[in-house]
Amino acid sequence: GAGVSQSPRYKVAKRGQDVALRCDPISGHVSLFWYQQALGQGPEFLTYFQNEAQLDKSGLPSDRFFAERPEGSVSTLKIQRTQQEDSAVYLCASSPGLADPTYEQYFGPGTRLTVT
Amino acid sequence: KQEVTQIPAALSVPEGENLVLNCSFTDSAIYNLQWFRQDPGKGLTSLLLIQSSQREQTSGRLNASLDKSSGRSTLYIAASQPGDSATYLCALNGNSGYALNFGKGTSLLVTP
Repeated sequence: GAGVSQSPRYKVAKRGQDVALRCDPISGHVSLFWYQQALGQGPEFLTYFQNEAQLDKSGLPSDRFFAERPEGSVSTLKIQRTQQEDSAVYLCASSPGLADPTYEQYFGPGTRLTVT
Repeated sequence: KQEVTQIPAALSVPEGENLVLNCSFTDSAIYNLQWFRQDPGKGLTSLLLIQSSQREQTSGRLNASLDKSSGRSTLYIAASQPGDSATYLCALNGNSGYALNFGKGTSLLVTP
């Protein structure tokens, strides 16, 4: 079956532009996660959805970052007024159950955002 | 805050060698630990998941161990192959039960 997909795969934005990154989780997966991976670093947790509810957004670095999952399936991560420090790979992951640590998280290929 | 450290940061070995990657963590209150592989420009591929009640997991040439009391995990790769070249990431599922805490990874190069 299809895995987690993300689009676009690459995005170049000028500083100050708004961007929207899309994640299509595995069909039927209840939980969805966004992570940010800076160059040479491990991924850092941004936010977590259970169906359409955003239960944890503690990792979002600023109020310029906004995520939504209105119908409990596709999710969009929006970054307003992009800054150079936002340059990173944004990874989306999904898992089949509720926040159950026995479930694995399945990762998409990521979107590489470069802010110039 | 959970700190996850991976040593070494980079490793180069000739094909056929057995090797060990290390992961240490500061808070032993974890639900599980996962080892991932990341190829350049690609997402993360889960290799092994060890539940907190388990000591090790095996898949093919890979063996991962977990010692919560000492805050350590190791990933053992037997008979390494050039196709094993990638970055290997260790991640812990801790207090929240869902947010993974990652190390910075070990970049492995296996030369023919």
